[in-house]
Amino acid sequence: KAGVTQTPRYLIKTRGQQVTLSCSPISGHRSVSWYQQTPGQGLQFLFEYFSETQRNKGNFPGRFSGRQFSNSRSEMNVSTLELGDSALYLCASSFDPSTEAFFGQGTRLTVV
Amino acid sequence: GENVEQHPSTLSVQEGDSAVIKCTYSDSASNYFPWYKQELGKRPQLIIDIRSNVGEKKDQRIAVTLNKTAKHFSLHITETQPEDSAVYFCAASPSNYQLIWGAGTKLIIKP
Repeated sequence: KAGVTQTPRYLIKTRGQQVTLSCSPISGHRSVSWYQQTPGQGLQFLFEYFSETQRNKGNFPGRFSGRQFSNSRSEMNVSTLELGDSALYLCASSFDPSTEAFFGQGTRLTVV
Repeated sequence: GENVEQHPSTLSVQEGDSAVIKCTYSDSASNYFPWYKQELGKRPQLIIDIRSNVGEKKDQRIAVTLNKTAKHFSLHITETQPEDSAVYFCAASPSNYQLIWGAGTKLIIKP
């Protein structure tokens, strides 16, 4: 079956701009989680969606938001980009967070 | 809330030796403990997991042990090989809503 697909793979944005990242989960998975990964850092949890509802949110400013559609596809949005937002953004899908999570290849965002 | 600490941050072992990575968690309600491996430039992938009703689980050269009383779980890799070089992440699930991740351990296998 098809894996988790994230688009785009790479993005370069200017400070102050906004960006939208997309994640298509594995068919049948209703849970989608988003993570930020910076070089040498771990996986910083952003938020988790299940059946279009955000069930949990990590410790990130309100500039980071997301949503999930009825087909379980999810988007995350970052407004007013800052240089420190440069990172690899990973999404992971699963039946629920207490089962195996399958990660996408990530979107590498560079803010200049 | 749940907090997961992972040690060491870097581990260097001779090829063929064993490697052990340890994680501690704070929330006694946590009931699911997966381990993920992330090779350079690749996405994290599950290598083994354990649930709170099991004390140990093995899969070939990889094993995970769980001590609920002490609130820690460990990844054991025996007969290490060059392809084991990667960053390993542990995680704990205090609920169905979230996985709390450790900071990662960079495992280096020396030839």
